Amino acid sequence: QQQVKQSPQSLIVQKGGISIINCAYENTAFDYFPWYQQFPGKGPALLIAIRPDVSEKKEGRFTISFNKSAKQFSLHIMDSQPGDSATYFCAASKIGSWGKLQFGAGTQVVVTP
Amino acid sequence: EADIYQTPRYLVIGTGKKITLECSQTMGHDKMYWYQQDPGMELHLIHYSYGVNSTEKGDLSSESTVSRIRTEHFPLTLESARPSHTSQYLCASSGVYGTEAFFGQGTRLTVV
Repeated sequence: QQQVKQSPQSLIVQKGGISIINCAYENTAFDYFPWYQQFPGKGPALLIAIRPDVSEKKEGRFTISFNKSAKQFSLHIMDSQPGDSATYFCAASKIGSWGKLQFGAGTQVVVTP
Repeated sequence: EADIYQTPRYLVIGTGKKITLECSQTMGHDKMYWYQQDPGMELHLIHYSYGVNSTEKGDLSSESTVSRIRTEHFPLTLESARPSHTSQYLCASSGVYGTEAFFGQGTRLTVV
């Protein structure tokens, strides 16, 4: 049973546009929600992460929005660039077990010039 | 430079062979993990370790085994490889107080 559901499976966005990826979870014990970026042939790399005590976190062009009551969180990529073309995974884990991640299925993002 | 290394990057091997995938980290992390990732799919935790001589199975059942004799080293072994073991195996580590899991580049295993 997939504990973190991610959508869409893929998206195409023009350079300068906004990419939005959504995730939902069921387990209320989760308290750490990272997003990982993976390029072909590489391992995932942490992009940005949020804890449930805040509703939004921004780092550069990347923003996480978190809705605790709805058990949903999303990644917004502003001013998307061709270099952002990658697969993005949302994940969740419990306090004290932050490396034991439950991953979403991934979203392949393609940014066209 | 602190990092996490996996070898080999690619491995094609025949059915029935014994294989060991290597993972080493130079960050002094106590926690290490193995994830399995099929092409275009999510990662699933198959093994983890919170320190030397400590290993546990993850959420996804796996026929592989692991050992943790040294803090920096966390190898994964398949005693008898089968085509169903064909996948990408990713090693990761995290520190005592850190939340971030650092991933290696992975080993893409093909069993023919």
